[in-house]
Amino acid sequence: AQKITQTQPGMFVQEKEAVTLDCTYDTSDPSYGLFWYKQPSSGEMIFLIYQGSYDQQNATEGRYSLNFQKARKSANLVISASQLGDSAMYFCAMREGPAIGNEKLTFGTGTRLTIIP
Amino acid sequence: AAGVIQSPRHLIKEKRETATLKCYPIPRHDTVYWYQQGPGQDPQFLISFYEKMQSDKGSIPDRFSAQQFSDYHSELNMSSLELGDSALYFCASSSIAVKNEQFFGPGTRLTVL
Repeated sequence: AQKITQTQPGMFVQEKEAVTLDCTYDTSDPSYGLFWYKQPSSGEMIFLIYQGSYDQQNATEGRYSLNFQKARKSANLVISASQLGDSAMYFCAMREGPAIGNEKLTFGTGTRLTIIP
Repeated sequence: AAGVIQSPRHLIKEKRETATLKCYPIPRHDTVYWYQQGPGQDPQFLISFYEKMQSDKGSIPDRFSAQQFSDYHSELNMSSLELGDSALYFCASSSIAVKNEQFFGPGTRLTVL
């Protein structure tokens, strides 16, 4: 079974609108972490936001927020007021188990976001 | 702020040749990870090192080996290269003291002809 599922292969969004990128995960470990990365066409992998399984509040970083619904095992990324520079591939990733110096990530298949002027 | 450094950024090799990719983690980061991203695919974990010891191993071919040195930099050695090894290879680093981040380098794009 897929550990990370991103069901939207591609999305087109009008500039300045908010966008939600979906991510569901599957783990039986009570301790885990969820990451979102942005990969522009240039190829680098840019860390956006992190949510720990025991975090009480949803994570926020500037225009990025994570809608964490633990019971539903979903960790959707919300980008407010989208900009042309947000056009990129977005990956959701998970670390299973406590963060103890061995934190390999399992990635979803990604969502390609295109912002339309 | 200092980031993860990878070299070279681009590498072109022939089949059956060898390649060495280098990674310099963020200062004071004690864990290094290697990932392979094929064209149009998500990154796949290869191997990781914590305090210079191998800490985990993923889907890394036997033709590949890696190590972390005393200065914490890491090298991924790839032998008998195949066409299917063409990919973007990422190194990432993290610190046990800052548990909620894993930063990636810019990647090395390997092309095998």
